[in-house]
Amino acid sequence: GNSVTQMEGPVTLSEEAFLTINCTYTATGYPSLFWYVQYPGEGLQLLLKATKADDKGSNKGFEATYRKETTSFHLEKGSVQVSDSAVYFCAPMTTSGGSNYKLTFGKGTLLTVNP
Amino acid sequence: DGGITQSPKYLFRKEGQNVTLSCEQNLNHDAMYWYRQDPGQGLRLIYYSQIVNDFQKGDIAEGYSVSREKKESFPLTVTSAQKNPTAFYLCASGRGQGFEAFFGQGTRLTVV
Repeated sequence: GNSVTQMEGPVTLSEEAFLTINCTYTATGYPSLFWYVQYPGEGLQLLLKATKADDKGSNKGFEATYRKETTSFHLEKGSVQVSDSAVYFCAPMTTSGGSNYKLTFGKGTLLTVNP
Repeated sequence: DGGITQSPKYLFRKEGQNVTLSCEQNLNHDAMYWYRQDPGQGLRLIYYSQIVNDFQKGDIAEGYSVSREKKESFPLTVTSAQKNPTAFYLCASGRGQGFEAFFGQGTRLTVV
């Protein structure tokens, strides 16, 4: 079946450090891929997305590239800030047959950035 | 304003009772989803629906039921068969494949 494996946290970095959060998925066909973020005390919101192979999603300095050959969608940021402290979720949208699309989430990675 | 609304924010029920969580959206979205969020578990998909009068089981559907009689509404019933119902429940809606999902603020259910 379809599944998503996300790097487990927690991850603690100093400000301006480089961030990578790994995400791999299993799916038939070509899923759309999303990263969502949940800031402390807030709801989930979209961070970025990519809908076809080799696309790069980007937002707020974060990037992720849709790698079909390795079924991965790793999240990166070159220089994190304290305000990036949040929980990050990788989420592929896969087909479950016909026109039914299933949005599943990884377990989430808690990122803490210290000044 | 357009959005997705879950109610109530907090809900308490006695063990053995069924309880229904409300989810309404006025975004004209076709797809709607229900998730359960537990610490360390991420979001787990309970049920999802792409069109009115049709829905599919997610990964943890046992003990839950849904209906989709209107495009705007996707209520979730937590039945007495659900062994561990105390959790945070999130509803989302979206336009379907390739489009982001928008989340409600969630309902925290406590069964005592």
